[in-house]
Amino acid sequence: DAKTTQPNSMESNEEEPVHLPCNHSTISGTDYIHWYRQLPSQGPEYVIHGLTSNVNNRMASLAIAEDRKSSTLILHRATLRDAAVYYCILRGIIQGAQKLVFGQGTRLTINP
Amino acid sequence: DVKVTQSSRYLVKRTGEKVFLECVQDMDHENMFWYRQDPGLGLRLIYFSYDVKMKEKGDIPEGYSVSREKKERFSLILESASTNQTSMYLCASSLAHGTKVRHSPLHFGNGTRLTVT
Repeated sequence: DAKTTQPNSMESNEEEPVHLPCNHSTISGTDYIHWYRQLPSQGPEYVIHGLTSNVNNRMASLAIAEDRKSSTLILHRATLRDAAVYYCILRGIIQGAQKLVFGQGTRLTINP
Repeated sequence: DVKVTQSSRYLVKRTGEKVFLECVQDMDHENMFWYRQDPGLGLRLIYFSYDVKMKEKGDIPEGYSVSREKKERFSLILESASTNQTSMYLCASSLAHGTKVRHSPLHFGNGTRLTVT
């Protein structure tokens, strides 16, 4: 199964951009890259996803490497509310079954 | 907004008890999932279901079973609870079948923290 690798933790300052990396060197050609985040005492929430092209939404941007072996979640201007564990996930199909592989997540700390 | 509701926020059970964890979603999603989350291990998939009465094993199905009699409800069953099943259990749902599932976000509940003593 394709797996993802993320740093265990990162730290940034409020109102600065944050770049959260994810490696997925064994990604298959049909896997989508999803990002979720988990705030304290809550279930994970969807942030963004993409296949090949960079993606933007109101929460974040997703930059995908040309060879698709890595991606970066970009928070353009971090706030204290962005402190969470961020998960990079690959979603694909193997033999008709759903393939959902969670990385270990990056714990993001935001300093005021 | 999609709502995924887990019946209990906290649950304490004794070893050997049969435990039911219930999950309900209100958006007519085909797919439903049960994960457990443990410190240092992240989220691990126990079972998922892509339709009523259909189920597939995830990465750690041992000691668990599931039931999906109605589309909106997915139950996780611990036939005989053990202390190593003390964990946070997360239910999720998503839309779409087949290849469309790859770009269908998961919607999670807020979890049930189960303690087995």
